[in-house]
Amino acid sequence: RKEVEQDPGPFNVPEGATVAFNCTYSNSASQSFFWYRQDCRKEPKLLMSVYSSGNEDGRFTAQLNRASQYISLLIRDSKLSDSATYLCAYTGGFKTIFGAGTRLFVKA
Amino acid sequence: GAGVSQSPRYKVAKRGQDVALRCDPISGHVSLFWYQQALGQGPEFLTYFQNEAQLDKSGLPSDRFFAERPEGSVSTLKIQRTQQEDSAVYLCASSLMIGAGANVLTFGAGSRLTVL
Repeated sequence: RKEVEQDPGPFNVPEGATVAFNCTYSNSASQSFFWYRQDCRKEPKLLMSVYSSGNEDGRFTAQLNRASQYISLLIRDSKLSDSATYLCAYTGGFKTIFGAGTRLFVKA
Repeated sequence: GAGVSQSPRYKVAKRGQDVALRCDPISGHVSLFWYQQALGQGPEFLTYFQNEAQLDKSGLPSDRFFAERPEGSVSTLKIQRTQQEDSAVYLCASSLMIGAGANVLTFGAGSRLTVL
């Protein structure tokens, strides 16, 4: 079993839609959790950290469920510019472990 | 510098050649990581440096892979006797903090290696 599992998608949604991604992780000792965004042929960039209490940044909401070992990302009012691959990640020890990513296409 | 700088951006090597990939992290960043990203996959951890000390090299796929950061700043990832399966984007990331914790990584643009 992979350490981090994500639905690869692609998710094809119209502008203005709400879309949600889930990610499961296997290491219960994981310390911190993140969502990174990666545009085509670009490097990953931090989108947001994920906290147990849930956190929101504009149209983006992230949630962590330690008991079920999953994290989620909700994107409201999708924009064309949201089209990208979304990588979930967690840190354990010195490493940050990434999922394979979920591809999102937002269409006009 | 303002960001993490990697060179070369693109490298084509013949099978069996040695390659060296350079990473110049953000000034003052203690932690430096190397990742390998194959097409359609997420970044896979290769190795971690805290200043000049290589504290974790568990992700290096074989003894053909070697990384160093002799002065705690610039790092070089060397791949000896390249094979076709080494073709990937090699990403370097740095972080101000030590260890994982709330480690937020800043990535360079990557070095895309193609082995023919």
